Amino acid sequence: TQTVSQSDAHVTVFEGDSVELRCNYSYGGSIYLSWYIQHHGRGLQFLLKYYSGNPVVQGVNGFEAEFSKSDSSFHLRKASVHWSDSAVYFCAASSYQGGRALIFGTGTTVSVSP
Amino acid sequence: GGIITQTPKFLIGQEGQKLTLKCQQNFNHDTMYWYRQDSGKGLRLIYYSITENDLQKGDLSEGYDASREKKSSFSLTVTSAQKNEMAVFLCASSRQISQNTLYFGAGTRLSVL
Repeated sequence: TQTVSQSDAHVTVFEGDSVELRCNYSYGGSIYLSWYIQHHGRGLQFLLKYYSGNPVVQGVNGFEAEFSKSDSSFHLRKASVHWSDSAVYFCAASSYQGGRALIFGTGTTVSVSP
Repeated sequence: GGIITQTPKFLIGQEGQKLTLKCQQNFNHDTMYWYRQDSGKGLRLIYYSITENDLQKGDLSEGYDASREKKSSFSLTVTSAQKNEMAVFLCASSRQISQNTLYFGAGTRLSVL
């Protein structure tokens, strides 16, 4: 069974703090990983993706994520959060070989306090 | 740029009713998806369509039908609405089935009385 798990349901940080959101996956073979953000009442928006090469990938608005095959992880990080980063963050995965749709984790809600 | 339009934004139904949700995209993308979002459960895949005239079941397809009428549109039907059901249905599209960014609509919020 292919799964994506996000262990933290809710994270609260202060503006200017760093944040790391955890994502672990269970997939056989090569994998395609991505992160999405959902602001309240909106659809999801793409942040970044990884499928090969440099395990650290950069996304929009200062987000980056690091792939680790040994840990089966793809954690998302930001060095200094802004109040507008308050949102729900979803990790997603699919088989790199194609033919299958993205499977999403349960999401992590990030609340940024002033 | 393009846009994904989901109609209606809000849908209120009665128990046992058949309800249809519509999705249009102008990205000229091949692949379209329907996900259901429940609080605390993330997004679960209902149906997807790799190309026009294709239909694939996701993990949550029971109780739903889907139709890819043309490349730009993908409809989802709740075959029999369940009492007190509340969820958001998200439509998305991508250039191809894999390794591609998904673009999402704003969602249809369903409430069943």
